[in-house]
Amino acid sequence: KAGVTQTPRYLIKTRGQQVTLSCSPISGHRSVSWYQQTPGQGLQFLFEYFSETQRNKGNFPGRFSGRQFSNSRSEMNVSTLELGDSALYLCASCEPGFTDTQYFGPGTRLTVL
Amino acid sequence: AQSVTQLDSQVPVFEEAPVELRCNYSSSVSVYLFWYVQYPNQGLQLLLKYLSGSTLVKGINGFEAEFNKSQTSFHLRKPSVHISDTAEYFCAVILMNYGGATNKLIFGTGTLLAVQP
Repeated sequence: KAGVTQTPRYLIKTRGQQVTLSCSPISGHRSVSWYQQTPGQGLQFLFEYFSETQRNKGNFPGRFSGRQFSNSRSEMNVSTLELGDSALYLCASCEPGFTDTQYFGPGTRLTVL
Repeated sequence: AQSVTQLDSQVPVFEEAPVELRCNYSSSVSVYLFWYVQYPNQGLQLLLKYLSGSTLVKGINGFEAEFNKSQTSFHLRKPSVHISDTAEYFCAVILMNYGGATNKLIFGTGTLLAVQP
């Protein structure tokens, strides 16, 4: 099976812009989670989607949003970008059980100038 | 509040030497425990996980970890490291279901394992 894919891999934006990142899970996986990784804050949970419904949400401002489509592909959107949003955004997919292995994609490196 | 602590930000070790990466957690509920590895410019890969049963868990690439409930620890060990083990290692927990299923991983800050020849 193909792994988790994320597009684009690299992105440069300026403050105030918005950005949309995409994640395609492993075929058959219905749960998709998003994480932000920064040197200062480490890995932080953004949100999780399962069957097109947000199942859990981390402590991020409303500028961060996401959605999941019927084919389980997911997108996350960040509006009004700030310098502090520069990070590696990782997506993970797994089958529904929360003890199942989560498979991570390579991430999207977002740089905000 | 739940948290995961990795006290060592960096662990230098010589090739073929043993290594232990420490992980402690704090939680008011039971947890599932995980170790992930991240190679440069890549995502995370699961090394091993503890869900229940035997407290000694064996994973990929010769790694193992032992769950110690009384010390709330889940230290990762390898008897003999290779240059290729150089990477960042993350300990993580998932809180046991307290009201709704979740795959939310709570990560430690990571430990950089630097294997020297």
